[in-house]
Amino acid sequence: EVQLVESGGGLVQPGGSLRLSCAASGFTVSSNYMSWVRQAPGKGLEWVSVIYSGGSTYYADSVKGRFTISRHNSKNTLYLQMNSLRAEDTAVYYCARVRFGALFDIWGQGTMVTVSS
Amino acid sequence: DIQMTQSPSSLSASVGDRVTITCQASQDISNYLNWYQQKPGKAPKLLIYDASNLETGVPSRFSGSGSGTDFTFTISSLQPEDIATYYCQQYDNLPPGTFGQGTKLEIK
Repeated sequence: EVQLVESGGGLVQPGGSLRLSCAASGFTVSSNYMSWVRQAPGKGLEWVSVIYSGGSTYYADSVKGRFTISRHNSKNTLYLQMNSLRAEDTAVYYCARVRFGALFDIWGQGTMVTVSS
Repeated sequence: DIQMTQSPSSLSASVGDRVTITCQASQDISNYLNWYQQKPGKAPKLLIYDASNLETGVPSRFSGSGSGTDFTFTISSLQPEDIATYYCQQYDNLPPGTFGQGTKLEIK
């Protein structure tokens, strides 16, 4: 079965760090474009970051310089390292497979990140 | 940056109704538009890609049309399980692009 399972969310203080994980099954992370999308409470969807199969990475301006997307090929897992967290980073974070480089066809269940003192 | 404007932001309809949601891009995006459904507490689900192509396994009551700047998403006969928020997403400029603000669909 093709699926994504996120973990690593939780409560963190402003300025703190957190690493999210997204374990894939049924397909190979390194052969696909993979992305993180977040959703603040009661708000819409916001694309956060993508890693291409070749290794290139891109970020939304709102997280550039603070977040880092990466993958571990042998673990078939995607990561999002989040540093210098702010209250406005509070959201459910979804990992998603990006088909044809353009559409999010497989989504995880999401993991909640709360940034608060 | 390309901006996506969805309307309406919320919609109430009866079971069996034909429901239409529009999405307007701030510039020409050809047919580079996808539609997603998000049920409460769940992850989004891809329904339509490239403006009018139905994703595998999605019921045929869902459809999409349009090109350029104006796009339409239609449910031909609303079912109770269609209660959700619907989002458009453009991918004219990559990395994977902007989402619309969403349309919340409720049963009347």
